[in-house]
Amino acid sequence: EVQLVQSGAEVKKPGESLKISCKGSGYSFTSYWIGWVRQMPGKGLEWMGIIYPGDSDTRYSPSFQGQVTISADKSISTAYLQWSSLKASDTAMYYCVTPWPTVTMAPGYWGQGTLVTVSS
Amino acid sequence: QSALTQPASVSGSPGQSITISCTGTSSDVGSYNLVSWYQQHPGKAPKLMIYEVSKRPSGVSNRFSGSKSGNTASLTISGLQAEDEADYYCCSYAGSSTSWVFGGGTKLTVL
Repeated sequence: EVQLVQSGAEVKKPGESLKISCKGSGYSFTSYWIGWVRQMPGKGLEWMGIIYPGDSDTRYSPSFQGQVTISADKSISTAYLQWSSLKASDTAMYYCVTPWPTVTMAPGYWGQGTLVTVSS
Repeated sequence: QSALTQPASVSGSPGQSITISCTGTSSDVGSYNLVSWYQQHPGKAPKLMIYEVSKRPSGVSNRFSGSKSGNTASLTISGLQAEDEADYYCCSYAGSSTSWVFGGGTKLTVL
């Protein structure tokens, strides 16, 4: 069974750095992309970017280019989303997502989400 | 890349059918048969309901169906049930540089 398990909720201050994680299991981690999606409080889903763990090729949505860094460690089947200097506007739920192996390349499996709260 | 356009809200009575539209451009919805739909209940992660325009994952009710014409995709829910009340998002592939783009979401209310 495909599973994406994300790291726990975080409470940070503006200006602090943060790295959240998403561990994949039940499928070939290096064969499928992993994406990150932001959902601000009471708002819709926003595509942030994607990484192909096999070669670490990474693409960012224009709105998030330069704002976050997506990476992956294929040796432990884990993808990461990191910030070097958080802002209050980064407060949101963040989901990792991956295709449904052998069924579709569309976003199919979702992590449970990581709530990031940035407040002074 | 702009978000796909969905109505903010739709409503229907139990047993009725509703349709949610998702309008994109020739760079996303119009170019690829890679439109998917997600259901999100409050406090939960989104769930895949339709993929590749009209295909249903195993376990999803056949009351849910999808279609596409030009730059607009649609999700139809027939025989509305109380449990269908949720937010619905469309998503389309938008090319290798952008990858995927979501719609703004539609709140479905079952009256």
